Amino acid sequence: EPEVTQTPSHQVTQMGQEVILRCVPISNHLYFYWYRQILGQKVEFLVSFYNNEISEKSEIFDDQFSVERPDGSNFTLKIRSTKLEDSAMYFCASEPVGVQETQYFGPGTRLLVL
Amino acid sequence: AQTVTQSQPEMSVQEAETVTLSCTYDTSESNYYLFWYKQPPSRQMILVIRQEAYKQQNATENRFSVNFQKAAKSFSLKISDSQLGDTAMYFCAFMKHSTYGQNFVFGPGTRLSVLP
Repeated sequence: EPEVTQTPSHQVTQMGQEVILRCVPISNHLYFYWYRQILGQKVEFLVSFYNNEISEKSEIFDDQFSVERPDGSNFTLKIRSTKLEDSAMYFCASEPVGVQETQYFGPGTRLLVL
Repeated sequence: AQTVTQSQPEMSVQEAETVTLSCTYDTSESNYYLFWYKQPPSRQMILVIRQEAYKQQNATENRFSVNFQKAAKSFSLKISDSQLGDTAMYFCAFMKHSTYGQNFVFGPGTRLSVLP
């Protein structure tokens, strides 16, 4: 069964550094999402992406964040200058087009900012 | 804006027993979708069950069923014959109806422990 994959599974970085989180959505899906989950808290929406542009973003998704689909298969989330409060689990999700079904989540990347 | 509330931060149940997790939501939308996701210790988000608001029949998926009360904006999850592998965080989630491309709004979660 096809699934969403994410790399790396864990990343540790120093405050102020840039990080790129990678996701490979399910191949026939065209809607992509990033969510984050701070430890012990609920999952929060960051951004949705369709047709090579952002379709919606939350107030969390400020100028430090960006997304792109560089090569037709990967979907990346970049954090330009990480802060301590960016430490969280980041989930990628994808959704098929045609019939609104549901979003399929990847296993997540655990980001720790020191 | 939509909000999702789960009033039970933690629950426990004996193996083989039945447990019900509560969820309420607030929305002005008339058509939407509701979901329960399970997050085991591995932290993967796994879809448990899905309900379309325009369907009156409660969704069921093997040992999992929901009690959807649209007027009360309530969406509880019943787990029958609980198994040790059901131990996880359970999140209730709301999605507006659209053609596609809507994001989830998640509740704060209920941590369920199934005891041997």
